[in-house]
Amino acid sequence: EDQVTQSPEALRLQEGESSSLNCSYTVSGLRGLFWYRQDPGKGPEFLFTLYSAGEEKEKERLKATLTKKESFLHITAPKPEDSATYLCAVRAYSGAGSYQLTFGKGTKLSVIP
Amino acid sequence: DGGITQSPKYLFRKEGQNVTLSCEQNLNHDAMYWYRQDPGQGLRLIYYSQIVNDFQKGDIAEGYSVSREKKESFPLTVTSAQKNPTAFYLCASSIGTNNYGYTFGSGTRLTVV
Repeated sequence: EDQVTQSPEALRLQEGESSSLNCSYTVSGLRGLFWYRQDPGKGPEFLFTLYSAGEEKEKERLKATLTKKESFLHITAPKPEDSATYLCAVRAYSGAGSYQLTFGKGTKLSVIP
Repeated sequence: DGGITQSPKYLFRKEGQNVTLSCEQNLNHDAMYWYRQDPGQGLRLIYYSQIVNDFQKGDIAEGYSVSREKKESFPLTVTSAQKNPTAFYLCASSIGTNNYGYTFGSGTRLTVV
């Protein structure tokens, strides 16, 4: 069974204190790993897609990396507006000719001024 | 601007009542999805549709029904058979199911009263 595990469940940082969020996965036939940001009471907002080990993508203070077993979302010098829940999802073959996303439970990030 | 519109934002259901959640997209996406989100859990797939007039059950389809009569629309009915319907419901769409990320709506919060 495909599994996606995110850690930590919650992370509290001081403004400017860099850190990383982890997403480990066990899937067969990975066809992409996705990072989303979700604010309370809203739908997830797409951040990055990574397809192969060694790939990296950046957007402002966020940088996502991928290995064969896990992905990291690095947050450099975070600001309070980076506070949100960050979701990781992997796409793998689900049968009947289709691929589906399996989501982790998310990491809730709080950045304190 | 293209996007996904979910309505209503908040919905209250009485015991034994069926309710329908609306999802409309103007992105010209072929695939559409319904997810359920509960506190402390990852997004769980209810139903998905790859083309008009066709849909498949996801991991937690019991007590739910859908239709896909138009490419733009994918309504979800929560029936009285769903014993624990209180949750945050998210609709998403993608160009296809194989190699593309999802665009999410803003969600509907359903509460049983």
